Amino acid sequence: SAVISQKPSRDICQRGTSLTIQCQVDSQVTMMFWYRQQPGQSLTLIATANQGSEATYESGFVIDKFPISRPNLTFSTLTVSNMSPEDSSIYLCSVDLQGAEAFFGQGTRLTVV
Amino acid sequence: DQQVKQNSPSLSVQEGRISILNCDYTNSMFDYFLWYKKYPAEGPTFLISISSIKDKNEDGRFTVFLNKSAKHLSLHIVPSQPGDSAVYFCAASNGGATNKLIFGTGTLLAVQP
Repeated sequence: SAVISQKPSRDICQRGTSLTIQCQVDSQVTMMFWYRQQPGQSLTLIATANQGSEATYESGFVIDKFPISRPNLTFSTLTVSNMSPEDSSIYLCSVDLQGAEAFFGQGTRLTVV
Repeated sequence: DQQVKQNSPSLSVQEGRISILNCDYTNSMFDYFLWYKKYPAEGPTFLISISSIKDKNEDGRFTVFLNKSAKHLSLHIVPSQPGDSAVYFCAASNGGATNKLIFGTGTLLAVQP
């Protein structure tokens, strides 16, 4: 298994500002994933982050809005830029370990006011 | 287009009885299916998975059944315990757990003492 730490666990932000979410894993992993869970919705993949290359974004998500960094094999950040109330969600990072099931961090609950 | 559907938003069962959570999918390319449990303010926790080459996988009190012809899977929990009360998500991918996971909207299970 993997221990995944996300920071912050929650935040309330003003519209128009940006928030950077950190994800730290206790082991080296090739792929890290960022998901969003909007209120009452399922988890939706935002992007896949590989170390040493640009993140791969899913349809409906763009780098300007959700820039991602992956400086090494244990760490990644997701920034939610120019926030609006529609960005209020739970943001989760996850990793896969050698083809096993994906493990998730505890999530970041973001409220934009 | 919701490729993975959990049509029951909630389910209530008595302690000791069987809980059956259902999930339907539309994409015949999915070859790997997972169930996750999520408590409030925590990230999803992996429960059990099944490959499309199988029709049943069992792990303790949890059994997942896959009916490929019907594009349907179910999670059986027996006997149900109050600690099982959580939101349960099914997820699917094509390419195993290392590939993008498509989640259902979740079913809130309440196990009554």
